[in-house]
Amino acid sequence: GAVVSQHPSWVICKSGTSVKIECRSLDFQATTMFWYRQFPKQSLMLMATSNEGSKATYEQGVEKDKFLINHASLTLSTLTVTSAHPEDSSFYICSAGSSGRIGAFFGQGTRLTVV
Amino acid sequence: EDQVTQSPEALRLQEGESSSLNCSYTVSGLRGLFWYRQDPGKGPEFLFTLYSAGEEKEKERLKATLTKKESFLHITAPKPEDSATYLCAVKRGGGADGLTFGKGTHLIIQP
Repeated sequence: GAVVSQHPSWVICKSGTSVKIECRSLDFQATTMFWYRQFPKQSLMLMATSNEGSKATYEQGVEKDKFLINHASLTLSTLTVTSAHPEDSSFYICSAGSSGRIGAFFGQGTRLTVV
Repeated sequence: EDQVTQSPEALRLQEGESSSLNCSYTVSGLRGLFWYRQDPGKGPEFLFTLYSAGEEKEKERLKATLTKKESFLHITAPKPEDSATYLCAVKRGGGADGLTFGKGTHLIIQP
């Protein structure tokens, strides 16, 4: 099956700094990337959807200036958490998809802790 | 608004004791119901996609079924390695491609 590689697996950063998370589709061209966030004992919540070469579409309540998403190629999307605060601490998960292949491939997740 | 509700929240079984997990959903025009396994600190691992009422899919000790309002994940003779959180999700209504997830069922299989 297709592999989606997410990096880093975990990161600790100081409040006010920015953190970048990478999501790579290793063996297929991902025309669409999804970014989810999961708080402890909660469901995965969709943050944004990005199509290659286009601006991301953000879900209601997600600050687009805080969570910067770049999807410049068919194999790489990045999520940058800018000016991170402790309330941004969460588990961030990407999902790569293409036509007819939505929902099958998720990254390993990134545990972000802001101190 | 799309909604996915999973029950029970947690389930503890003895090895070999079969059971079922429930996923009730509300979505405008179902375009796919997904089941995943999630281990602690990991991303979801895809298990099944179901598209229409009456559809069934099997993989080893797992079988997923779908009706117009809910889906079941049946676990037959489970083993300790089946312990995980099982997530249900639906493709969102209105043509969007993202998924709406339930909170999951935390399954523990005791030897």
